[in-house]
Amino acid sequence: EAQVTQNPRYLITVTGKKLTVTCSQNMNHEYMSWYRQDPGLGLRQIYYSMNVEVTDKGDVPEGYKVSRKEKRNFPLILESPSPNQTSLYFCASSLSNSPEPEFFGPGTRLTVL
Amino acid sequence: QKEVEQNSGPLSVPEGAIASLNCTYSDRGSQSFFWYRQYSGKSPELIMFIYSNGDKEDGRFTAQLNKASQYVSLLIRDSQPSDSATYLCAVDTGFQKLVFGTGTRLLVSP
Repeated sequence: EAQVTQNPRYLITVTGKKLTVTCSQNMNHEYMSWYRQDPGLGLRQIYYSMNVEVTDKGDVPEGYKVSRKEKRNFPLILESPSPNQTSLYFCASSLSNSPEPEFFGPGTRLTVL
Repeated sequence: QKEVEQNSGPLSVPEGAIASLNCTYSDRGSQSFFWYRQYSGKSPELIMFIYSNGDKEDGRFTAQLNKASQYVSLLIRDSQPSDSATYLCAVDTGFQKLVFGTGTRLLVSP
């Protein structure tokens, strides 16, 4: 089954404790991206990657890091989480190098205390 | 002015009616337009895309694009309660940037 998986699905953590949200797709898609969704602000792109070892900033990259060492994986790293990073996070992928996500992961709800 | 604007709703329609969801955008250079559906507690799913002025039909869904007026709309014919969801408009403004609206919540009553 074609899918994008994310882990964990829910996470409560404290300010400053480094965390990683994993994302994996099994469709051999080249384009992967991370979004956060906040009430009243909609979906905003954090980072995207057009291929292995190629990543770039989206609209709200501050406080986040990503890596793309393998085509299937695109982890999101919060080195020092802060309460303003409390949000719902989605990983997404698409076959082409166009930015519109074809598949979204199930989401990770992060709370930073 | 927001780059992509949608009425947050809720838009309430009776079952069997046509639901009309609208989206306006500010960047005249935008070339590609997308509609996503997001059920409560779920991730968005791509349901329609349109690149050219005019209408594009896919089953009960019709996307309409008017670049001169900078709006894109989604019509849902024969609305069903299962269509109740939030509909997100997204615009490709170029340079690998996709901007989402905040979504319109649609409620279809039986």
